[in-house]
Amino acid sequence: EVQLVESGGDLVQPGRSLRLSCATSGFTFDDYAIHWVRQAPGKGLEWVSGITWSSETIGYADSVKGRFTISRDSAKNSLYLRMDSLRANDTAFYYCAKGSSPYGTGSHIDYWGQGTLVTVSS
Amino acid sequence: QSVLTQPPSVSGAPGQRVTISCTGSSSNIGAGHDVHWYQQLPGTAPRLLIYVNSRRPSGVPDRFSGSKSGTLASLAISGLQAEDEADYYCQSYDSRLSNVVFGGGTKVTVL
Repeated sequence: EVQLVESGGDLVQPGRSLRLSCATSGFTFDDYAIHWVRQAPGKGLEWVSGITWSSETIGYADSVKGRFTISRDSAKNSLYLRMDSLRANDTAFYYCAKGSSPYGTGSHIDYWGQGTLVTVSS
Repeated sequence: QSVLTQPPSVSGAPGQRVTISCTGSSSNIGAGHDVHWYQQLPGTAPRLLIYVNSRRPSGVPDRFSGSKSGTLASLAISGLQAEDEADYYCQSYDSRLSNVVFGGGTKVTVL
């Protein structure tokens, strides 16, 4: 059974940093691209970042470019999102999501985690 | 403002057919990139509903169908049921942005 379990969400002050983790199991981690998708309370889905199977290609939404850093660890079958200079509008549920192919372009997301809540507020 | 445009809401009586449109542009749907659809029930994570424009994952009822033409994709739900009340999102890839893009979401209400 494919599982993605996010952790690390918390209440943090504007300007501070946070690191999210996503532990995966049930599939060959090295064979697939993985994404972070967020959803502000009561709002729609927003793609945040994605990383291909080899980490060769990484993409970011313009809204987080230069502040967020995605990475993956094959030894731990885990995905990470380092979030710096957090803003109030970064408040959202952050979902870890498995791509259906090794690459990010054009492929769909076939499994989602349950999400972890990040709240940015003073 | 989402790159892919969906109507905010659609509604229908049980048993009826409803459709949700997803309008893109020449850099995403019109460029030939596939469209995928997700269903999000209240309080839960999204789940894959339709992939590569019209394919259904195992376990998804054949009441759900997808299509794509030009810069427009559509999701149809026939024989609407109460359990179909949810938010629905389309997703594609945008060559100009080099990013995955989502529609703004459509809330389906069963009357």
